[in-house]
Amino acid sequence: EAGVTQFPSHSVIEKGQTVTLRCDPISGHDNLYWYRRVMGKEIKFLLHFVKESKQDESGMPNNRFLAERTGGTYSTLKVQPAELEDSGVYFCASSQDEADSYNEQFFGPGTRLTVL
Amino acid sequence: RKEVEQDPGPFNVPEGATVAFNCTYSNSASQSFFWYRQDCRKEPKLLMSVYSSGNEDGRFTAQLNRASQYISLLIRDSKLSDSATYLCVVNMNSGYSTLTFGKGTMLLVSP
Repeated sequence: EAGVTQFPSHSVIEKGQTVTLRCDPISGHDNLYWYRRVMGKEIKFLLHFVKESKQDESGMPNNRFLAERTGGTYSTLKVQPAELEDSGVYFCASSQDEADSYNEQFFGPGTRLTVL
Repeated sequence: RKEVEQDPGPFNVPEGATVAFNCTYSNSASQSFFWYRQDCRKEPKLLMSVYSSGNEDGRFTAQLNRASQYISLLIRDSKLSDSATYLCVVNMNSGYSTLTFGKGTMLLVSP
């Protein structure tokens, strides 16, 4: 079974540019999460989709970040315009059954974003 | 106070040693608890879920003390392949699995 995939693996852009990250969850997983790790800090939650609906976006840093999950399959996270402090590793995770708080989240390999 | 706090590390131990990681969490209403392992420049992977009764998986033992808001991970007979960063992770929400991560503790096992 294929795991969570993310594209691109690396992205280097200049301040003010736009970048779109993509995540493909494990097939059949209704729950999709975005997390971010900035250098020297812990991994932090950004938002959670259940199918195509945003369940919780309390972790989104500001309105320069836009996440979508049209059709409830893959998700995109767009940063526009990118700022220096947006640099970090963006992880996507998916899980199957939300009803169980011990339900495992499977993480993708991450997208390493560098804003110059 | 950080939501999930871990020993800063790194821990340098020889093969065969026993090593213990500690973690505290701030939200007493937290629902579920995990240890994730993260290899260098890789994604986090679930190592163990941590239950109130404590649980063991081979060389790994996890304990949870809800009264003290404390979680531990014990690794016995360390192997070179155990070298990684160990992340203490807590689900602080009821109903949703939004994970809150500690900063991680790096373990280096040497021959």
